[in-house]
Amino acid sequence: DAGVTQSPTHLIKTRGQQVTLRCSPKSGHDTVSWYQQALGQGPQFIFQYYEEEERQRGNFPDRFSGHQFPNYSSELNVNALLLGDSALYLCASSFRHLSNYGYTFGSGTRLTVV
Amino acid sequence: AQSVTQPDIHITVSEGASLELRCNYSYGATPYLFWYVQSPGQGLQLLLKYFSGDTLVQGIKGFEAEFKRSQSSFNLRKPSVHWSDAAEYFCAVGARDGVGASKLTFGTGTRLQVTL
Repeated sequence: DAGVTQSPTHLIKTRGQQVTLRCSPKSGHDTVSWYQQALGQGPQFIFQYYEEEERQRGNFPDRFSGHQFPNYSSELNVNALLLGDSALYLCASSFRHLSNYGYTFGSGTRLTVV
Repeated sequence: AQSVTQPDIHITVSEGASLELRCNYSYGATPYLFWYVQSPGQGLQLLLKYFSGDTLVQGIKGFEAEFKRSQSSFNLRKPSVHWSDAAEYFCAVGARDGVGASKLTFGTGTRLQVTL
């Protein structure tokens, strides 16, 4: 039973570019949440997707957007990249109707902006 | 808004010694509380969680944590540390908003170093 799969594992982008990160949730999970973890910091909530809609959003600018597909997989898009967007981006999947925070985290995508 | 404070950025303990990592939270009611561990370059693994009931909760890898409402704390403990416990530890709080699997607010983490 595969857990949460994120791709790519690493990538390097230039300031001003756009990037798309991908996440496949754990089998049986229907909700995907994205977190940004800057170096030396704890993860910060970006947004959560369920039923292909953004349900909650953290304190991130509109440059950060997402999408959820009918198969529950998700993409995180970041436009106009800044050096400060360099971070580990974590995807977490869960089952919406279990109110127990049953998150499973992926290993993350390390984004470096130069 | 909820918040989490982990006062210790870095802790070093000898293998076999006991461990306590501190966590204080701010929330209007009793939140859901979690401890996660992260090895270098890896995602987060759940060690334990508190929702209600017994304030002493047991987790994986021999870890336990105690919820103290009066102190707004949820400290993580282990009686005897192993070298493989060296990692980053995060305390997190989740709101009891009645919605399933909502957002977590994390502390800044405590890096644990274990000396042999």
